[in-house]
Amino acid sequence: NAGVTQTPKFQVLKTGQSMTLQCAQDMNHNSMYWYRQDPGMGLRLIYYSASEGTTDKGEVPNGYNVSRLNKREFSLRLESAAPSQTSVYFCASSEMVRAESGANVLTFGAGSRLTVL
Amino acid sequence: GQQVMQIPQYQHVQEGEDFTTYCNSSTTLSNIQWYKQRPGGHPVFLIQLVKSGEVKKQKRLTFQFGEAKKNSSLHITATQTTDVGTYFCAGLNFNKFYFGSGTKLNVKP
Repeated sequence: NAGVTQTPKFQVLKTGQSMTLQCAQDMNHNSMYWYRQDPGMGLRLIYYSASEGTTDKGEVPNGYNVSRLNKREFSLRLESAAPSQTSVYFCASSEMVRAESGANVLTFGAGSRLTVL
Repeated sequence: GQQVMQIPQYQHVQEGEDFTTYCNSSTTLSNIQWYKQRPGGHPVFLIQLVKSGEVKKQKRLTFQFGEAKKNSSLHITATQTTDVGTYFCAGLNFNKFYFGSGTKLNVKP
């Protein structure tokens, strides 16, 4: 099992360029998430998709769009990249989100390191 | 908005010393999870706490969830060099996981 696969692993963009980060999971999970990680800030939720066909904003959605293409895939798009979006991006998935269930454990991808010049 | 505060930000210990990291939430949490991220790696799930006052142990690691379900702690007894990494708590509230800023642990052999 590959788990959660993110591409690309590294990307350098110029301000104003656009790009899409791809994420796919092979665990038949219902929920998928995009986080960004900055030094001293922990992991901040950008967008999430509780189930196929739904998406919702997280803590820091501005400047990003997402698409839940199917149950396996959840992409993150930067339409016009800015230096403030330089970060490490993690995709994660969970079977579901329910408070007392062990099914809401997050499985993370290896991360995508994005630099915007 | 939802905030999960975590302290300390850094901790340097000598191998064999104990280590504790604390999380506090501004609101009541449905549950809290703990993750470990090795340098250059991705967060990996350690444990989940659901019940008020819950205590769980994994070998040298002890996790606690506060009575009010607003705070949690992770305690490592007799640290080893393999414990090096950043430890994150993540609180679940209204279908969203809110992560603390993490505590970076360095263990000197």
